[in-house]
Amino acid sequence: DTGVSQDPRHKITKRGQNVTFRCDPISEHNRLYWYRQTLGQGPEFLTYFQNEAQLEKSRLLSDRFSAERPKGSFSTLEIQRTEQGDSAMYLCASSFNRRTSELEQYFGPGTRLTVT
Amino acid sequence: AQTVTQSQPEMSVQEAETVTLSCTYDTSENNYYLFWYKQPPSRQMILVIRQEAYKQQNATENRFSVNFQKAAKSFSLKISDSQLGDTAMYFCALLPMDSNYQLIWGAGTKLIIKP
Repeated sequence: DTGVSQDPRHKITKRGQNVTFRCDPISEHNRLYWYRQTLGQGPEFLTYFQNEAQLEKSRLLSDRFSAERPKGSFSTLEIQRTEQGDSAMYLCASSFNRRTSELEQYFGPGTRLTVT
Repeated sequence: AQTVTQSQPEMSVQEAETVTLSCTYDTSENNYYLFWYKQPPSRQMILVIRQEAYKQQNATENRFSVNFQKAAKSFSLKISDSQLGDTAMYFCALLPMDSNYQLIWGAGTKLIIKP
């Protein structure tokens, strides 16, 4: 297993454009999380999935953000009508919560979004 | 509310020294896990060490060890024989088991190892 992967690693877009990011979790992991991280800060929770079901979405998350996880495998995060404030690192993590010995989240390398 | 506090925004030590990063947390739940994650500059977040709250023994992973004081709700990370590659942001995180398995993060400590 190669770990959590994210694509693209970097994205530069103009304000008002839509962007979509992809995350491929570790294959047997049933939980997938999206976070946003700005420079020098800890990750900020956005949303998470258990299998294909989106179980929680941050109240701070704008309606311009949407995430999917069809078939419970990879996930996509779409940001519509991007704003400069959306510029950040978007992190994906996965975990396997069927065993209490394996609850830690494993992170991907992130997608750095720059909105100009 | 459940919180994690890291009171040291930045620390620096000489290579080969021992350094301790502090973390305190607050939760009303009895069943939880605590983690330290490391995020090197421009690199991805990786797990350093984990501690189950029900275990009294402090977790250790090679040069990394924790001092878990459950009553004081303290969870410090000790790095022995520090190396240049330990330079990174270190985040303390709380995972309450009785909620929805959401990680609660501290603000991080920037650790610089000087040659």
